[in-house]
Amino acid sequence: LAKTTQPISMDSYEGQEVNITCSHNNIATNDYITWYQQFPSQGPRFIIQGYKTKVTNEVASLFIPADRKSSTLSLPRVSLSDTAVYYCLVGDSGYSTLTFGKGTMLLVSP
Amino acid sequence: ETGVTQTPRHLVMGMTNKKSLKCEQHLGHNAMYWYKQSAKKPLELMFVYNFKEQTENNSVPSRFSPECPNSSHLFLHLHTLQPEDSALYLCASSQEADSGANVLTFGAGSRLTVL
Repeated sequence: LAKTTQPISMDSYEGQEVNITCSHNNIATNDYITWYQQFPSQGPRFIIQGYKTKVTNEVASLFIPADRKSSTLSLPRVSLSDTAVYYCLVGDSGYSTLTFGKGTMLLVSP
Repeated sequence: ETGVTQTPRHLVMGMTNKKSLKCEQHLGHNAMYWYKQSAKKPLELMFVYNFKEQTENNSVPSRFSPECPNSSHLFLHLHTLQPEDSALYLCASSQEADSGANVLTFGAGSRLTVL
């Protein structure tokens, strides 16, 4: 079960690019990296998933270095509505892909 | 309706009541889950159903009883709860539970208050 470490909180301003890094030093060969976003009193929402290198979708980019011991979620030009908790999950099956940590509380200010 | 739907959205019950939370998914997924989220705490996985079979019971007290009659429906039956059980209960679904590329789709949650 790969343990993940994320910053507890981050602050940003509207229009800036935000990078949230997740450390997972004991990631296993078959593990995927998945990021979710959660607003207060709502269920988490899937943002992006990757295995290696770089993945990009309409919402974010995920950068994974060659050793895969960390990953960085990049949110371009954040807005106030991006204020939320962001979770990094790492696993290859079952319980490991279902366990949420404390996440990173991102606060975007005007 | 699409996605994962949870009812009721809000529930207030006494400690001696019996109530149920309902979850329905219209995504054709084969796995469904119950999570509990207390104030300012991480999500806690409670139960996992994969192809209608319960595969995980994360040391949940017996006053919480899940039921999965088919792959689209999941219930959480509540009986003699305690005030500390007050929380947001989230249902989720995914294609299957045993996949590294597992992606969860969550419902909006049921806010439970136990008096």
